[in-house]
This record gives sequence, structure tokens and C-alpha cells, in this order.
Amino acid sequence: SAVISQKPSRDICQRGTSLTIQCQVDSQVTMMFWYRQQPGQSLTLIATANQGSEATYESGFVIDKFPISRPNLTFSTLTVSNMSPEDSSIYLCSVEVGQGKNQPQHFGDGTRLSIL
Amino acid sequence: AQSVTQLGSHVSVSEGALVLLRCNYSSSVPPYLFWYVQYPNQGLQLLLKYTSAATLVKGINGFEAEFKKSETSFHLTKPSAHMSDAAEYFCAVSKSGGYQKVTFGTGTKLQVIP
Repeated sequence: SAVISQKPSRDICQRGTSLTIQCQVDSQVTMMFWYRQQPGQSLTLIATANQGSEATYESGFVIDKFPISRPNLTFSTLTVSNMSPEDSSIYLCSVEVGQGKNQPQHFGDGTRLSIL
Repeated sequence: AQSVTQLGSHVSVSEGALVLLRCNYSSSVPPYLFWYVQYPNQGLQLLLKYTSAATLVKGINGFEAEFKKSETSFHLTKPSAHMSDAAEYFCAVSKSGGYQKVTFGTGTKLQVIP
């Protein structure tokens, strides 16, 4: 498996501001994923981030709202821009670990974000 | 597109009793299936995965799941519940072949009653 560290673990922000969440992996991985988990709900994939290319966003998520960086094979950031109370969620990054196809994803502990 | 349905958003069992969490999948191609557990204030931890090698899959913490193609099910079981099993459990599916998007179920919160 991999050790995945997310920062910050939680934050309380004012509406209209932006927050950047960092995800650090202790090994090189090809694909990193960013999810949102709204209160009491399941995980929704925001985007897939491959090193050296633009992130691929899922339907309903746009780059202007959730810009993602992937500067190397062990690190990625997700920014939540111009936040509103509806953005209050847990944001999780995950990576595929292991050789071959369809390896399970491993998750960080998440960033718990509250917008006032 | 693939999907999973978890029956029961909340399940309560007595300590020592059988745990059964239900998951049915829908996939047009052979699926890869996963169960994850989420403890409070933590991320998701992989319990077990099905990748077509064996229909009965054993995972961590005494959990296992059986893939039943005829029933399109992948239910999670544990013979004897422990207080530490109280958490939320997510079933997930992806399509076999290459890097594929993983789709998560809505989750089942397991309560263990002493």
C-alpha cells in the first residue's frame, strides 16, 4: 500500500475565499484522484490527475472552480475556489497502488472543509 | 455504465452477531468490486477486492465477501461483530481492463450494540 498525507486535515473558511489542499504520496504513482464527500453522502469523483497533463474533470466539475496541479509523481493539489457554504464537504485524494490494471485505490484521511 | 446499490443505509447488530452488508452491482462487462470502510474522521480503507480470481474473497479484520454473478451481488459478511467494526462501509465497482473510474455506493453505517 501507500502512505497518503493530506493537508490541511480540516479548515473553516469564509465564503468567497479559496483553499488549496495538498496530497503527498510516499511512492511514485501514475494516477491521483480527487473526490468530494458531502455530509452524509457517498464519494463523488471530481477529477483524475496524471502527471504532466491536464486533469480530467467529471461532469459537474470545472477547472475554474477546482483547479488541480500535478507537478510530479508524488504530489498533487486541489484548490476550492470562491467557496460557498455548498462547498462544505470532505475532500479526499486517492491513488492506485500496485502493478497491473484495476488496482484498488488507497485514500488519504481527507480534508474536512466548512464554509461560513 | 456500472453502478452499485447498497441496501440499508443503517444496519444494527449485537456484538458477537453475524454482520451482513448487502451490495448489488450493475455492469455490462465483468466487474471489479471493492469494499471499503470509513471510520470517523478518517479516509477510506480497503477491506477486500474481487478481481475474478476467486468468488469468495477474504479481507482484513475478519471480513469476507462472495461474488455471485447469478444474483449480481457482492455482500460483505463477518461471523462475529466486534465493537470496533462500527463504521461506514462502502461498496465500489469498476470495469475490468485498463484504468477505469471507480463508482461508490451510498454507504451503510454499521452500529454494533454491546
